[in-house]
Amino acid sequence: DQQVKQNSPSLSVQEGRISILNCDYTNSMFDYFLWYKKYPAEGPTFLISISSIKDKNEDGRFTVFLNKSAKHLSLHIVPSQPGDSAVYFCAATSRGGGYQKVTFGTGTKLQVIP
Amino acid sequence: EPEVTQTPSHQVTQMGQEVILRCVPISNHLYFYWYRQILGQKVEFLVSFYNNEISEKSEIFDDQFSVERPDGSNFTLKIRSTKLEDSAMYFCASTPLTNEKLFFGSGTQLSVL
Repeated sequence: DQQVKQNSPSLSVQEGRISILNCDYTNSMFDYFLWYKKYPAEGPTFLISISSIKDKNEDGRFTVFLNKSAKHLSLHIVPSQPGDSAVYFCAATSRGGGYQKVTFGTGTKLQVIP
Repeated sequence: EPEVTQTPSHQVTQMGQEVILRCVPISNHLYFYWYRQILGQKVEFLVSFYNNEISEKSEIFDDQFSVERPDGSNFTLKIRSTKLEDSAMYFCASTPLTNEKLFFGSGTQLSVL
């Protein structure tokens, strides 16, 4: 069951431009959403999160937008840098489950071209 | 910066053999997790562990799997009798509390032949 979906397996963006990574979810119980970044041969590292009571959270070059009615979130990276090239995972969890279990999407591989 | 440490980085085993994957979570963290990623697929939750007991597990985590915190620092995942489909990258993670970002180790690549 694909409760968290990232429909774009890959994305290429020019350095300095905006990268937009998209994610859809199906489980209405999810109320906390996260983005993780993963480099080869490393574990995922936390990037940014958003609670369902918000529709936007910003941290430097990274902004996450949440559209609850559409069950959609997106990660914006502005400006994109070559070091941002990695696989980005969207993830979701729920207070009802005590936030014990995080459900991940399949990832989007971002390539930022210098 | 403190980090989650996993050993070994690669483990090759024969089908039917037992394997133990080891993790040292960040020292002041209280919640520990195992996730896995089969090649080309999503990262999947296996189990969460708190206060010396399993707090939640997925349907993947069947009787062949077990976890243990044998001392104050290590957290292990044991697969009793490995199957070919257990081949995956296994990630350990920890958090100081729930509703916190997961800190992942760099993973153990398990190959079952």
